[in-house]
Amino acid sequence: ELKVEQNPLFLSMQEGKNYTIYCNYSTTSDRLYWYRQDPGKSLESLFVLLSNGAVKQEGRLMASLDTKARLSTLHITAAVHDLSATYFCAVDIKPGNNRKLIWGLGTSLAVNP
Amino acid sequence: ETGVTQTPRHLVMGMTNKKSLKCEQHLGHNAMYWYKQSAKKPLELMFVYSLEERVENNSVPSRFSPECPNSSHLFLHLHTLQPEDSALYLCASSQDLLAGGDNEQFFGPGTRLTVL
Repeated sequence: ELKVEQNPLFLSMQEGKNYTIYCNYSTTSDRLYWYRQDPGKSLESLFVLLSNGAVKQEGRLMASLDTKARLSTLHITAAVHDLSATYFCAVDIKPGNNRKLIWGLGTSLAVNP
Repeated sequence: ETGVTQTPRHLVMGMTNKKSLKCEQHLGHNAMYWYKQSAKKPLELMFVYSLEERVENNSVPSRFSPECPNSSHLFLHLHTLQPEDSALYLCASSQDLLAGGDNEQFFGPGTRLTVL
């Protein structure tokens, strides 16, 4: 069974602290996406990781991909309240002729003053 | 309009009603998707259209009927829904790999559907 597991599912952290969200997946894939969703809003694309060893950074967020370990991480540096949201990873697979994304459950992040 | 738009944003319907959700993408993409988002569940892919042809139908009940008249528009026709169909319905679009894209999906704001 194809699985994408995120942990933790809930994270409460203080402003200024660092933390990492993990995304493990159970099948071969060489591309992975991270999205952010604010309450009541849609999903916003954060990072597209297209190969093993890919690392991307935007502000206080950095994402990496290890396709051999089937693991991606989203690292938060010096968290601020504005980062409070739910973060999803999605793994790109190709069963048959068509590609599709398999999604994690999401990590709900609350950054407290 | 830019990006991916969806209408209506909120919809309340009875189980005997017929309604349609509309999605439009202004990104020039060649693939469009319908997803269902329910609390405490992974995002569920319902339908995929690539170049206006349906390429994925994930065992979705027939009370949901998609329509893709052209590469910019996608509809989801609803009839005789059940209360458990209440959810956020998200539309997305992407440019697939064969067309030179990276398959990154861009989402619309969603339609919050409540079935009474």
